[in-house]
Amino acid sequence: QQPVQSPQAVILREGEDAVINCSSSKALYSVHWYRQKHGEAPVFLMILLKGGEQKGHDKISASFNEKKQQSSLYLTASQLSYSGTYFCGTGQPNRDDKIIFGKGTRLHILP
Amino acid sequence: GAVVSQHPSWVICKSGTSVKIECRSLDFQATTMFWYRQFPKQSLMLMATSNEGSKATYEQGVEKDKFLINHASLTLSTLTVTSAHPEDSSFYICSLTGSPYNEQFFGPGTRLTVL
Repeated sequence: QQPVQSPQAVILREGEDAVINCSSSKALYSVHWYRQKHGEAPVFLMILLKGGEQKGHDKISASFNEKKQQSSLYLTASQLSYSGTYFCGTGQPNRDDKIIFGKGTRLHILP
Repeated sequence: GAVVSQHPSWVICKSGTSVKIECRSLDFQATTMFWYRQFPKQSLMLMATSNEGSKATYEQGVEKDKFLINHASLTLSTLTVTSAHPEDSSFYICSLTGSPYNEQFFGPGTRLTVL
């Protein structure tokens, strides 16, 4: 089942914060976050496996709610390099390793 | 993370011809690789799971006779688009799964344009 991302697009000024949400009507086995710049392949950001989990690196962090039906990606004090399309993806419980991606959120940072 | 390469980076071909795209894992032995297709401003759509030494597993709606996948070794998977048509024009990306969290590492992608 494809996870639902919101918003579809965000425009921010450099230094502002952003939140991108990823949700599903059913509990997700895992949540993966990726960023893709135009014309390039997606780059792995982080993965969350457990309900209630939160993790981050530098000024990008993510949370996974207790019911494992929603994850949010937090971009703090955004930088120009954060521009791109962010995808969340959900793993599968049968361990076949494939990921189903949401439709993406386009983030554009203005100087 | 794993390093994945794809060749070619882009290809332009005439309608009706076949195109082969290679995906190589440079530093990781991958028993499983994935092939995605991405249309402009759209999400990554999983096409198939490539299994080393066995047949690929195709997602619903993907024609296995049109998109031939061969995973002959632990470091190479190929996708052949047979009798390509303009509607097959897209960005094709392969990936493999890392350890221990099953994060996916993507190749740089191949942009196919069918005239």
